[in-house]
Amino acid sequence: DGGITQSPKYLFRKEGQNVTLSCEQNLNHDAMYWYRQDPGQGLRLIYYSQIVNDFQKGDIAEGYSVSREKKESFPLTVTSAQKNPTAFYLCASSPRLRGRGDEQFFGPGTRLTVL
Amino acid sequence: GIQVEQSPPDLILQEGANSTLRCNFSDSVNNLQWFHQNPWGQLINLFYIPSGTKQNGRLSATTVATERYSLLYISSSQTTDSGVYFCAVVIRDSGYALNFGKGTSLLVTP
Repeated sequence: DGGITQSPKYLFRKEGQNVTLSCEQNLNHDAMYWYRQDPGQGLRLIYYSQIVNDFQKGDIAEGYSVSREKKESFPLTVTSAQKNPTAFYLCASSPRLRGRGDEQFFGPGTRLTVL
Repeated sequence: GIQVEQSPPDLILQEGANSTLRCNFSDSVNNLQWFHQNPWGQLINLFYIPSGTKQNGRLSATTVATERYSLLYISSSQTTDSGVYFCAVVIRDSGYALNFGKGTSLLVTP
């Protein structure tokens, strides 16, 4: 089945720890994105990537890092520098970054809780 | 920055009723998408509609780009339609992020 997978579904972290969230897609999409959702809110962009080995900061990149070593994978690391990391994290992909083919599709999300 | 405003914020319907959800945006857009977020958090694509009208079963959407609004119509609502409906836009010539409204929370009762 074609789609976007995220793991784990739930993640608990102690303060001061770094954690990495996985995002994989087998849709052959060029562009991938990470968003964060807080309760009762819409989503905000953390990072995006148009091609392998290239990525750009979004609106709220502080305290996060990413890599794009393979077209199908775009992991997100939540570092200890992120002051309020408890949130729902969603990964998305689109065939292209802009123009026809920029419709974004989302994975099922990871709920991160800091204890 | 871009403003994306959705109305109404909350809506309760009886099964079988029709409804219209509205999305106003403050700038020209390259991309406008409607999503349904189910109770488990999954965002389901409903429409990719930067302009024009589309229909998919009981749902249809219209975007009037020149007047900066979009409407989502739900006809003959079912309990499985419950959840939060989001409108999101990508501003023309201004990056690649989808800018989300705060959503309309819909509850359909039997």
